[in-house]
Amino acid sequence: SFELTQPPSVSVSPGQTARITCSGDALPNQFTSWYQQKPGQAPVLVIYKDSERPSGILERFSGSTSGTTATFAISGVQAEDEADYYCQSADTSGSVVFGGGTRLTVL
Amino acid sequence: QVHLQESGPGLVKPSETLSLTCDVSGSSISSNYYWGWIRQPPGEGLEWIGTVYHSGTTYYNPSLKSRVSISVDTSKKHFSLRLTSVTATDTAVYFCARETGTNIVTRVIDLWGQGTLVTVSS
Repeated sequence: SFELTQPPSVSVSPGQTARITCSGDALPNQFTSWYQQKPGQAPVLVIYKDSERPSGILERFSGSTSGTTATFAISGVQAEDEADYYCQSADTSGSVVFGGGTRLTVL
Repeated sequence: QVHLQESGPGLVKPSETLSLTCDVSGSSISSNYYWGWIRQPPGEGLEWIGTVYHSGTTYYNPSLKSRVSISVDTSKKHFSLRLTSVTATDTAVYFCARETGTNIVTRVIDLWGQGTLVTVSS
């Protein structure tokens, strides 16, 4: 199997851009997805295939990848964006792995 | 609209078997989707448990593989999870989910159930 590493927390002021990284040696050969989870709720897919947004997801949300690091960004952060964010990838054996999650705090 | 709903006991005794079912409504369970289980211990992150394709092909988390079984019943439009020999560390919210993708590497979880808390305690 493989591992994905995220920072435990990121803090940003309203209106700024928040960036959350996800690192893993397998990422150059696999796609990364991102999920938003608010307290007491199920996660919601916000980015798939590194940078694609599902229908209904705000344009403020974006994803990119470079080498072994995938990055999720929220531009013009708002209080409602405060949540836990998880990266996820799948390998050729069929295994799915999640990063440890990052808590985004809007100051 | 597609909806997933978990059901099963909320309390399981140590060493016993945890069994959950996920009912799928609004979609054919035989479509080209994968159906999976993910869990989240209280205050912790997400852990993928395993996935079943409508054909019955399964994929399991290597760390749980010896205790996990996931099956699909297309006639009843549900899929199920069995986790044997549970301990307190298996206490978690268990989510059922739909995975979509052109192949196993491109899979993403595009639909989640609301989750059900299962506590392992005597």
